[in-house]
Amino acid sequence: AQSVTQPDIHITVSEGASLELRCNYSYGATPYLFWYVQSPGQGLQLLLKYFSGDTLVQGIKGFEAEFKRSQSSFNLRKPSVHWSDAAEYFCAVEGNEKLTFGTGTRLTIIP
Amino acid sequence: SAVISQKPSRDICQRGTSLTIQCQVDSQVTMMFWYRQQPGQSLTLIATANQGSEATYESGFVIDKFPISRPNLTFSTLTVSNMSPEDSSIYLCSVEVEEGGPYEQYFGPGTRLTVT
Repeated sequence: AQSVTQPDIHITVSEGASLELRCNYSYGATPYLFWYVQSPGQGLQLLLKYFSGDTLVQGIKGFEAEFKRSQSSFNLRKPSVHWSDAAEYFCAVEGNEKLTFGTGTRLTIIP
Repeated sequence: SAVISQKPSRDICQRGTSLTIQCQVDSQVTMMFWYRQQPGQSLTLIATANQGSEATYESGFVIDKFPISRPNLTFSTLTVSNMSPEDSSIYLCSVEVEEGGPYEQYFGPGTRLTVT
């Protein structure tokens, strides 16, 4: 069975600073990987996905993620965060037609 | 992509009662999913709902507690039965959409349920 680990429960960064959110997965085959964002009181919005090909994928809102098979990782990055990026971020892996989510990382932005 | 709406957006219910949550999508989809997100937790899949067949429940979830209907390709309901405070959660529906590659899931805004 697949699993996802997000080791950072809560991260605080200053507005304008760079961001990296960590995600490690476990899955026997080629993984389909996703990052979702959940703003307070909202549902989940798909930020980006990796299926195959280029290991650096671009998403919405200036986010990108890099798939590293050797490290079983799919870390999310943004070069300069905005106050509106404050939210909960979930990494997910698809296997057997099901999505398995990590426990999420809460991002706080300070002025 | 898909646009998904849920009703109600939130509710406060008394223990022992039931609540039915509706999920409407703006296009026909084969697979719909229901998730539970307990306070401060991640998402847990409750069941997969395919049109014309019985829902498939994940371990720990049973049909008597969470009956699901899927009458057509754009609509589904989830009922939370005989509620207790432990059922206080956000319930989200999602749909699977194929967009030039493997399927992606899009989520509704969620229903925030508080059981008193």
